[in-house]
Amino acid sequence: GAVVSQHPSRVICKSGTSVKIECRSLDFQATTMFWYRQFPKKSLMLMATSNEGSKATYEQGVEKDKFLINHASLTLSTLTVTSAHPEDSSFYICSARDRRDSYTEAFFGQGTRLTVV
Amino acid sequence: SQQGEEDPQALSIQEGENATMNCSYKTSINNLQWYRQNSGRGLVHLILIRSNEREKHSGRLRVTLDTSKKSSSLLITASRAADTASYFCAPNSGNTPLVFGKGTRLSVIA
Repeated sequence: GAVVSQHPSRVICKSGTSVKIECRSLDFQATTMFWYRQFPKKSLMLMATSNEGSKATYEQGVEKDKFLINHASLTLSTLTVTSAHPEDSSFYICSARDRRDSYTEAFFGQGTRLTVV
Repeated sequence: SQQGEEDPQALSIQEGENATMNCSYKTSINNLQWYRQNSGRGLVHLILIRSNEREKHSGRLRVTLDTSKKSSSLLITASRAADTASYFCAPNSGNTPLVFGKGTRLSVIA
C-alpha cells in the first residue's frame, strides 16, 4: 500500500530554535498534504493544507509565521516550527492523498514527537 | 470539511468479545472512512464505505452506513489485545482535509 514517511520521529530542541519536519509520499504523488497536531489523549487538530507549488492554507488560529509550510514537490512537504517554545511541544502528523483521487483514503506519516526544552 | 463524532469515547472489553463503536456526522458525504491510531503513532486506514453502500466487511471488521441517519458503525469481532487503540471516523465529502473527532479509545483486556 501507499506509504508516507515522516522524519524525524522524535526531536528535542531548545527554546528559540527552529525545527523542520519532513513528510514524503514514497510511492505516489500528492498534490496536497495535510499537517495535524495532537495533544496527549486528544484528537488530531488540522493545522494546515499544504499545496504543491503554492501557499499553504492555514486553519483559523494557526500562526502561519510560526509554522512554515513548504511543498516544493509532489512528494515532499515540510513543516518548520520557528522560534520554538515549550508550548509548541506536541505530536505532529502529516498525511497525503494520491493526486489521482481525492475521494480515497488518506495515508499518514508515523508522526513526530517534538519536545521543546 | 466535517468532523465525525465517535461514541462511546471509551470502551473496555475482554479479549474475544466484539467491539462496536459508532459515528455520527452532519452533512452529505461521498464516503466515510475509519482509522485506527495506536498510542504515539500515526493513523492507519482501516476501511472506506461509499455513500451508496450499506455494509462492508474486511477481515474481522464490519462497517455499516446509514445515510438517512447520518451514522456509521464499526464492529470488530473476536477482539484481540492488539486491537487496543483509538478509532476515528472521517466523513469525506471530496477534496477537503479529513477532520477528526475525539475518537473511541478501545481497550481489549487479555
